Amino acid sequence: SQQGEEDPQALSIQEGENATMNCSYKTSINNLQWYRQNSGRGLVHLILIRSNEREKHSGRLRVTLDTSKKSSSLLITASRAADTASYFCATDFQGAQKLVFGQGTRLTINP
Amino acid sequence: DTAVSQTPKYLVTQMGNDKSIKCEQNLGHDTMYWYKQDSKKFLKIMFSYNNKELIINETVPNRFSPKSPDKAHLNLHINSLELGDSAVYFCASSPGGRHEQYFGPGTRLTVT
Repeated sequence: SQQGEEDPQALSIQEGENATMNCSYKTSINNLQWYRQNSGRGLVHLILIRSNEREKHSGRLRVTLDTSKKSSSLLITASRAADTASYFCATDFQGAQKLVFGQGTRLTINP
Repeated sequence: DTAVSQTPKYLVTQMGNDKSIKCEQNLGHDTMYWYKQDSKKFLKIMFSYNNKELIINETVPNRFSPKSPDKAHLNLHINSLELGDSAVYFCASSPGGRHEQYFGPGTRLTVT
């Protein structure tokens, strides 16, 4: 399967702590994207990292990409209750015309 | 203001019925998609259209027929609904295949 795999499946931390989620994939990519989905809502794009990039930042988000290990991580710093959501990685595989989504990490921020 | 909109938000129907879900985007994007999200939150692409032309059809039963009357609209018609069709269906759009996607709010379909 070309599907990305996310780890952990669920993560529960205290407000103010940092949250790290990981994504692994199997074949070469053009880019990797992270999305957030709040309960009962559509997915919202967070950040896109290209295969020739190693790190990107957006506000409290930091994404890294290691193409040699075929893995990416999403770090959310200084977490807030509003960050409670499911987070998905999506890979744009070379030769494909579609994004393939992982199964997501369910993040819970406890006040 | 809504970028990608879908109607209806909820759809409850009986097995064997035919139903449609509509999607519209006002972002000027060339590419639109339909995804199915199952009860375990697994999101899988069903169809993709670029400038009204079908470019992806992911082994979806032919009971599902997408239609794109113009670049801003992509509708999904489902014939002879089955229990296994119960899921949340998301429409999305993007400027092109290599870019980020913008998702609609989803349509929760329940088949009884």
